[in-house]
Amino acid sequence: GNSVTQMEGPVTLSEEAFLTINCTYTATGYPSLFWYVQYPGEGLQLLLKATKADDKGSNKGFEATYRKETTSFHLEKGSVQVSDSAVYFCALRGGSEKLVFGKGTKLTVNP
Amino acid sequence: GAGVSQSPRYKVAKRGQDVALRCDPISGHVSLFWYQQALGQGPEFLTYFQNEAQLDKSGLPSDRFFAERPEGSVSTLKIQRTQQEDSAVYLCASSPDSSSSPLHFGNGTRLTVT
Repeated sequence: GNSVTQMEGPVTLSEEAFLTINCTYTATGYPSLFWYVQYPGEGLQLLLKATKADDKGSNKGFEATYRKETTSFHLEKGSVQVSDSAVYFCALRGGSEKLVFGKGTKLTVNP
Repeated sequence: GAGVSQSPRYKVAKRGQDVALRCDPISGHVSLFWYQQALGQGPEFLTYFQNEAQLDKSGLPSDRFFAERPEGSVSTLKIQRTQQEDSAVYLCASSPDSSSSPLHFGNGTRLTVT
């Protein structure tokens, strides 16, 4: 079945550092890929998405590129802020309709 | 409102009690999903509706879990004879009918079974 593997956290960075959170997937067909974010005490929010190979999703300075050849969708941000502290989830949605999540990566950004 | 609404926000149940969790999806969204999120884990799929039809219930952990969406809008997740391992956050999400569309999540119901 479909699955998502993302790097384990927690990740701790200083403000303005570069962020990468790795995500790889296993899926049949051509799934859509997503990154969701969960801020402390809040619900899951869509951060960005990509629906086909080589698409780049971007939002709030975050980017991720759908790489079919490496089955990856790594999340990057050039300069993180304290307000980016949250748990980040990589997810895919294939023909089965349901969204399959990774286990999440907790990011803490220190001033 | 514009988003997915879930109630109650928090629920404490004694072991053995039945609970009912409600979800109001975004108006017009065809698909509705229920997920279970244990502490420190990613959300795990429970069940999926398209309109009033329950198309996938493969994630329901036991026959104590039951979900319905009788009129294709509001959905209820019922857990009978709750056990301590049922303690988790229960998330509801809705989406338009395309499989490439993202899911829009509610804030969840935190269930604690004592």
